[in-house]
Amino acid sequence: DAGVIQSPRHEVTEMGQEVTLRCKPISGHDYLFWYRQTMMRGLELLIYFNNNVPIDDSGMPEDRFSAKMPNASFSTLKIQPSEPRDSAVYFCASRAETDNSPLHFGNGTRLTVT
Amino acid sequence: GNSVTQMEGPVTLSEEAFLTINCTYTATGYPSLFWYVQYPGEGLQLLLKATKADDKGSNKGFEATYRKETTSFHLEKGSVQVSDSAVYFCALSATTSGTYKYIFGTGTRLKVLA
Repeated sequence: DAGVIQSPRHEVTEMGQEVTLRCKPISGHDYLFWYRQTMMRGLELLIYFNNNVPIDDSGMPEDRFSAKMPNASFSTLKIQPSEPRDSAVYFCASRAETDNSPLHFGNGTRLTVT
Repeated sequence: GNSVTQMEGPVTLSEEAFLTINCTYTATGYPSLFWYVQYPGEGLQLLLKATKADDKGSNKGFEATYRKETTSFHLEKGSVQVSDSAVYFCALSATTSGTYKYIFGTGTRLKVLA
């Protein structure tokens, strides 16, 4: 299995621009998570999906952030408009439905907003 | 609520030294416990896990025992190598009011010197 695939690996954009991050989970995994990692705040859960349905989006910082999962093999995290404080590494992770299954992380997208 | 507390880093050791990274948790019910490792430029990877009290998880020379009486899951390795230099995250998973939660500690950076 190829693991969780994220794209792009790096994104540099100017403040005010729209940014879209993409994720392909491991085939057969029913849960998908979006995390943000910064030096100051560590690893923060933004949102997670179960069977393509958003279950908990309480970690989404504000309305500028939105996430979708149109099918079992694809999810996007969109920031519009982007701001410099959004600069971070964004991780996607997936897990199987089985109890106690671990999370499998992608290699992340490093976002820099100038 | 659920939370994970792990020791502040960085931890700097010489090669072949003994490693302990402390982790304690608070949780309702019976969580599963995990250690993840993150190498530079990569996502988190599962290192080991334990799903019930007194279970010992082990992998690549690392061990951790699920201690319900002390609510702890300390990570140990008898002889560290330079290649073990990374950030280590303690985590728990639990279901609360029908919502699945995966809680991470803040991470402990380990540096091993040759």
